[in-house]
Amino acid sequence: GENVEQHPSTLSVQEGDSAVIKCTYSDSASNYFPWYKQELGKRPQLIIDIRSNVGEKKDQRIAVTLNKTAKHFSLHITETQPEDSAVYFCAVHGSARQLTFGSGTQLTVLP
Amino acid sequence: DTGVSQNPRHKITKRGQNVTFRCDPISEHNRLYWYRQTLGQGPEFLTYFQNEAQLEKSRLLSDRFSAERPKGSFSTLEIQRTEQGDSAMYLCASSLTSVSGLGDNEQFFGPGTRLTVL
Repeated sequence: GENVEQHPSTLSVQEGDSAVIKCTYSDSASNYFPWYKQELGKRPQLIIDIRSNVGEKKDQRIAVTLNKTAKHFSLHITETQPEDSAVYFCAVHGSARQLTFGSGTQLTVLP
Repeated sequence: DTGVSQNPRHKITKRGQNVTFRCDPISEHNRLYWYRQTLGQGPEFLTYFQNEAQLEKSRLLSDRFSAERPKGSFSTLEIQRTEQGDSAMYLCASSLTSVSGLGDNEQFFGPGTRLTVL
């Protein structure tokens, strides 16, 4: 089955700095790569996603890059704000037609 | 609220008891998913439905677990003879996906049911 690895598990940045979270996957047939943000006690919410026919996608302060050859993708958050503090999960939709999630990154933005 | 809803939000039960959770997806969403999330981990896939058909089950879904979506709308997840290891957050998600399953679309998550087995 699909194997998704996410790094780092914790990340602290100063407000205004950038944050980068990386994920690798194993199934070369994977075609959809969403990122979810989960605040404590709340449901996961999609913040950005990318499909396998695109290398990069940006939405305001958030961007995702995909390297299909290397089978890794990254989340980039610029100009971080305290409200960006949360757990971020990458996920991969592969040939198994289900989402496999990474283990999460606890992002803390220090004021 | 037109989002995914789940009931109950919390369930405390004694080991050996049966529990049932309900998920109401976003109307017109044809796919419904069940996940389990334990503290500090990402959601783990359990099973999903395309309309009323259960198309896939994870190996995590032991024979004590059963899920239904009888009319292709709401779904129930039942756990029989609960064990302490079943304690987790059970998340439901729905999506609008083509029948071929190609190009999966955003999965919208419900608030989850937190199960505690004593």
